[in-house]
Amino acid sequence: EDKVVQSPLSLVVHEGDTVTLNCSYEVTNFRSLLWYKQEKKAPTFLFMLTSSGIEKKSGRLSSILDKKELFSILNITATQTGDSAVYLCALNTGNQFYFGTGTSLTVIP
Amino acid sequence: DAGVTQSPTHLIKTRGQQVTLRCSPKSGHDTVSWYQQALGQGPQFIFQYYEEEERQRGNFPDRFSGHQFPNYSSELNVNALLLGDSALYLCASRFGFGGLEQYFGPGTRLTVT
Repeated sequence: EDKVVQSPLSLVVHEGDTVTLNCSYEVTNFRSLLWYKQEKKAPTFLFMLTSSGIEKKSGRLSSILDKKELFSILNITATQTGDSAVYLCALNTGNQFYFGTGTSLTVIP
Repeated sequence: DAGVTQSPTHLIKTRGQQVTLRCSPKSGHDTVSWYQQALGQGPQFIFQYYEEEERQRGNFPDRFSGHQFPNYSSELNVNALLLGDSALYLCASRFGFGGLEQYFGPGTRLTVT
């Protein structure tokens, strides 16, 4: 059965801290792994990963995929209060996307 | 570049009623998926439309049905509403049935009383 597990479920940090969010998965047919940020409503796209070991970066956010160990991490450095959100990991099997329950990140000033 | 749009934003219905939600995909996208997101949960896949046909379906009852129009826009219909259908309904689009990236609309918040 295809599944996605994210950890931790929630995280509270202070501004300036660095955080690492984890996503492990089991899928029968891997096409891509996506990270989203969800604040109020719509998840907004952050990264798409298809190959192991290639880091994707966007400002203070970065992500990498390990297809051998079946996980991905999302790093956020120098966190800001605007980073407070739920971060979702999704696996694309070609037919559909499977989502984890998300990691709720709260950044305290 | 127009992103994914959904209507309405909010909706309140009574148990047993029927509801129709609408979605227009991102410009250039032809595949639309619908998700249900309960509070504190990740989005759950309902179904996906491509070339006006339902191509894939998640674990949802037949009360959930949909349609895709020639312009790629889509509708989600839910019949005989239950209290448990209260959730955020998200539409997402991508290019091609096997497209690697998927973008979400703002969602419709459905409350069933």
